[in-house]
Amino acid sequence: AIQMTQSPSSLSASVGDRVTITCRASEAIRNNLSWYQQKPGKAPKLLIYAASTLQSGVPSRFSGSGSDTSFTLTISSLQPEDFATYYCLQDYNYFTFGGGTKVEMK
Amino acid sequence: QVQLLESGPGLVKPSQTLSLTCTVSGDSISSGDHFWSWIRQPPGKGLEPIGYIYYSGNSHSNPSLRSRLGMSVDTSKNQFSLQLRSVTAEDTAVYYCARGPGIAARWGLHYWGQGILVTVSS
Repeated sequence: AIQMTQSPSSLSASVGDRVTITCRASEAIRNNLSWYQQKPGKAPKLLIYAASTLQSGVPSRFSGSGSDTSFTLTISSLQPEDFATYYCLQDYNYFTFGGGTKVEMK
Repeated sequence: QVQLLESGPGLVKPSQTLSLTCTVSGDSISSGDHFWSWIRQPPGKGLEPIGYIYYSGNSHSNPSLRSRLGMSVDTSKNQFSLQLRSVTAEDTAVYYCARGPGIAARWGLHYWGQGILVTVSS
């Protein structure tokens, strides 16, 4: 089974900061990687799919990059509404989530 | 607009069977364009894939749950269902249904249900 290692597990940041979250796959998954934002008590929301394609309606401060085994989610300028937990998901072979990154206010 | 809605009991006794249904609107399960997935999230923890099913009934599931898991689809009602047998307190979680992965392109889970909290307790 493909393992997804997400880092960091948590981070503290301020409004306006650039934030980077990484996911590494245990084997190559091409670009079959998506990113989700989850707020407390809510279902996850798709941000990025196919590693770098922004989902409709998602602010352009979110971007994704990478392929095969290394992927990055970047928030270019953190906004108050971005404090949440973020997950990556591979669906190249079955599907597996990363462990999550909680973005907290510094 | 695609919408998914989970339904089922919020409380299940230990050793019994947890049964949930996901009702889909705005898309047809029988279109064959997507798998239809179940994911769960124990309180305070991360997302765990349970499995997914195709309109034909073919399914793939988490090896750790496979011996207790059943999934089915009812295309006439545009619903798919989950049955988890012999539950314990470790099965307490919010259960989500979602559309995806895609068949032609693996582009993630674009639509999710709101989730349903299922507590296993006597």
